[in-house]
Amino acid sequence: GQNIDQPTEMTATEGAIVQINCTYQTSGFNGLFWYQQHAGEAPTFLSYNVLDGLEEKGRFSSFLSRSKGYSYLLLKELQMKDSASYLCAVMDSNYQLIWGAGTKLIIKP
Amino acid sequence: SAVISQKPSRDICQRGTSLTIQCQVDSQVTMMFWYRQQPGQSLTLIATANQGSEATYESGFVIDKFPISRPNLTFSTLTVSNMSPEDSSIYLCSARTGGDTGELFFGEGSRLTVL
Repeated sequence: GQNIDQPTEMTATEGAIVQINCTYQTSGFNGLFWYQQHAGEAPTFLSYNVLDGLEEKGRFSSFLSRSKGYSYLLLKELQMKDSASYLCAVMDSNYQLIWGAGTKLIIKP
Repeated sequence: SAVISQKPSRDICQRGTSLTIQCQVDSQVTMMFWYRQQPGQSLTLIATANQGSEATYESGFVIDKFPISRPNLTFSTLTVSNMSPEDSSIYLCSARTGGDTGELFFGEGSRLTVL
């Protein structure tokens, strides 16, 4: 079966760095997405990785290792507004998105 | 990019009734999808809305319960039929631009509570 695993919840301190991991087992691979979802709002796109390596975009970076079936989202200089759920999603060989359950990130002052 | 408008944003419904959710995209898109997100859980794909033909439903979802229309490249509706409390959820419309691996944009969601 297809499976996406990510931690249910993480806590970090304002100004610090946090890494949210995602491991996957899917039928084929056409890229991995990270989305941010604030409570009561729609998910918004953060990043897309299809090749191995690190993609940096401001305070957020996303890493992919296809051989390990592993990705992480790195958030630097955490701000209170970063408190949200972070969803990992993998696109399989049929271009279907397989979604993880999301990681709820709690930022403390 | 795409801006997606959904309505209603929320509703409280009686058991046994049906509700239609509308989704409007500000540009023509090839792929539109309907998702369900139950409290504290991730997204579950209900179906792909196909323009000019019947929607493609995922396992566990059927047309009689979730009829979908897509009359053109910017608009779709999802009906939740004969509702029960188990249908209480957030329903999200989404659209993909830029081909099969393009970014997925979401509407604000419709929060349904069935009493």
